Amino acid sequence: DIQMTQSPASMSASVGDRVTITCRASQTISTYLNWYQQKPGKAPQLLIYAASSLQSGVPSRFSGSGSGTHFTLTISRLEAEDLATFYCQQSYRTPYTFGQGTKLDLK
Amino acid sequence: EVLLVESGGAVVHPGGSLRLSCAASGFKFDDYMIHWVRQIPGKGLEWVALISWDGGDTQYADSVRGRFTISRDNSKNAVQVEMNSLKTEDTAVYYCAKEGIGGSSLDVWGKGTTVTVSS
Repeated sequence: DIQMTQSPASMSASVGDRVTITCRASQTISTYLNWYQQKPGKAPQLLIYAASSLQSGVPSRFSGSGSGTHFTLTISRLEAEDLATFYCQQSYRTPYTFGQGTKLDLK
Repeated sequence: EVLLVESGGAVVHPGGSLRLSCAASGFKFDDYMIHWVRQIPGKGLEWVALISWDGGDTQYADSVRGRFTISRDNSKNAVQVEMNSLKTEDTAVYYCAKEGIGGSSLDVWGKGTTVTVSS
């Protein structure tokens, strides 16, 4: 199975900060990498698909980059409503494994 | 509006069985793969299974292969997962999700249904 490792596991940031979360795959997955945001008590929501494509309706302050084994999710200017747990997921090969999550809260 | 609604979650004893359902609306159901993803309370996401648009291809996580069976009825816009030989570690919120157009991402999720396996 392809292992996905996110860093950091948790972080604190202030409104207006630039935030970067990293995801690494245990083997190359081209750009078959997706990012999800999950708020407490809610289902995950797709933010970024195919490593860098913004899902419809997602604010443009979210962006994704990377290919192969190294990927990043960036929030250009953090807003309070962005606080959540973020997950990467590879969809290159089943089982479509997720990273362990990055919990983002307010500093 | 594109919607997925899960049902069937319950409390069941270890070794028991349960069937979860996912009802879809608002999109051309038989054009899309459907996935199940689960989440142990307070923990991360675990991909469980997928079924192709016509039901001809199914894939499972190692942790459930041989115990869970995913199926779909396109005439009813529904997907089911039959869960047998349940273990305490199957306790989780189970989500169904629709595969999107971009690289097998999951672009629409249901709100989830809770399965508790406990003696």
